[in-house]
Amino acid sequence: DGGITQSPKYLFRKEGQNVTLSCEQNLNHDAMYWYRQDPGQGLRLIYYSQIVNDFQKGDIAEGYSVSREKKESFPLTVTSAQKNPTAFYLCASTSPGSPSGANVLTFGAGSRLTVL
Amino acid sequence: KQEVTQIPAALSVPEGENLVLNCSFTDSAIYNLQWFRQDPGKGLTSLLLIQSSQREQTSGRLNASLDKSSGRSTLYIAASQPGDSATYLCAAYSGGYQKVTFGTGTKLQVIP
Repeated sequence: DGGITQSPKYLFRKEGQNVTLSCEQNLNHDAMYWYRQDPGQGLRLIYYSQIVNDFQKGDIAEGYSVSREKKESFPLTVTSAQKNPTAFYLCASTSPGSPSGANVLTFGAGSRLTVL
Repeated sequence: KQEVTQIPAALSVPEGENLVLNCSFTDSAIYNLQWFRQDPGKGLTSLLLIQSSQREQTSGRLNASLDKSSGRSTLYIAASQPGDSATYLCAAYSGGYQKVTFGTGTKLQVIP
């Protein structure tokens, strides 16, 4: 079955460490996204990528970095510069050419990052 | 800037009841409105998508409507079941890859 795989499901980080969250999709989707979810807040966009080797900052990119070397993969690195990284991170993808004609979001299962 | 509001934030109903969840958006220039379900600690599962040219979509016991002129969408759940307990989020697509605004969700509990 096609879908988005995020790993790890749970991750713990010590102060000053960088950590990388993995996102892999086999949907042949062009665009991929990283969102952050905090209690009581809507999802906020961190980074997005429309094509390989290109990505754009979203609303809350500070302290995060991404790469898009392959169409299937869009890893997110949470750097030590991110002062409040404890959150639930969601990866998503879309393809404008979907049969419905609408580029709807498809989400992975999420990764929960906790700072110790 | 688009803002999406979902009221109420939480709702508790007895099993079998029909219920309506509300989603309001400030900018009516949207081209999609999507409803999602999220179980605790899980990702978002798409329930229904309404394109701007449509007024409603139905899937099983779920019906979603869209009124762009009033900036509102509703999700109707018929004959609610305990398995419907989850958080329901709506998302307004305003244009471009990054222009999707999410509401904060309505947490639904269906009591057996």
